[in-house]
Amino acid sequence: GAGVSQSPSNKVTEKGKDVELRCDPISGHTALYWYRQSLGQGLEFLIYFQGNSAPDKSGLPSDRFSAERTGGSVSTLTIQRTQQEDSAVYLCASSLNIAWAGGNSTYNEQFFGPGTRLTVL
Amino acid sequence: GNSVTQMEGPVTLSEEAFLTINCTYTATGYPSLFWYVQYPGEGLQLLLKATKADDKGSNKGFEATYRKETTSFHLEKGSVQVSDSAVYFCALRDNYGQNFVFGPGTRLSVLP
Repeated sequence: GAGVSQSPSNKVTEKGKDVELRCDPISGHTALYWYRQSLGQGLEFLIYFQGNSAPDKSGLPSDRFSAERTGGSVSTLTIQRTQQEDSAVYLCASSLNIAWAGGNSTYNEQFFGPGTRLTVL
Repeated sequence: GNSVTQMEGPVTLSEEAFLTINCTYTATGYPSLFWYVQYPGEGLQLLLKATKADDKGSNKGFEATYRKETTSFHLEKGSVQVSDSAVYFCALRDNYGQNFVFGPGTRLSVLP
């Protein structure tokens, strides 16, 4: 089946412009995550959506960053007034809910998209 | 808060060498533990996971055992191949939230 898709795959923009990055999660996955991966660095958590609950925005680095998830499916990450330090690969991931079986929880893994490489000139 | 610590890289090995990448964690309760791999030019993909203490995750010759007493989930492989060259990320997901916490990643280079 189809995996997580992201668009565009590459985005070059000028400092000060706004950009929108899109993520299409795997159908049926209720959890959606955004991460940022700077060159040679690990994953930096940005925001997490779970069903109809309020998103966990604790990782957003500034108020220039925002994200929404419409209809519990597609998500858009918006960066306003981009800065050169925003240049990175932006990764989206989705997963199923926690599954409970026999009193034990089974945590489903995340499935990652290919990422959007953002370059701010 | 929850955290994951991995050994610093890069790690460079010769083909057929034994691999260990250390991972330790701090978390409340009983988290699930994961190893993800990112091959050059590709996205992250799950390598293996363990959901409770003493579980052993395994895949593609890699293994990791969930050790609650040492809060560790070290990744091992008995004989690495050039194709194993990648960045490896240790991660956890705790009982109370559904968010994941990733380690900084360890870059492995295997030379022929």
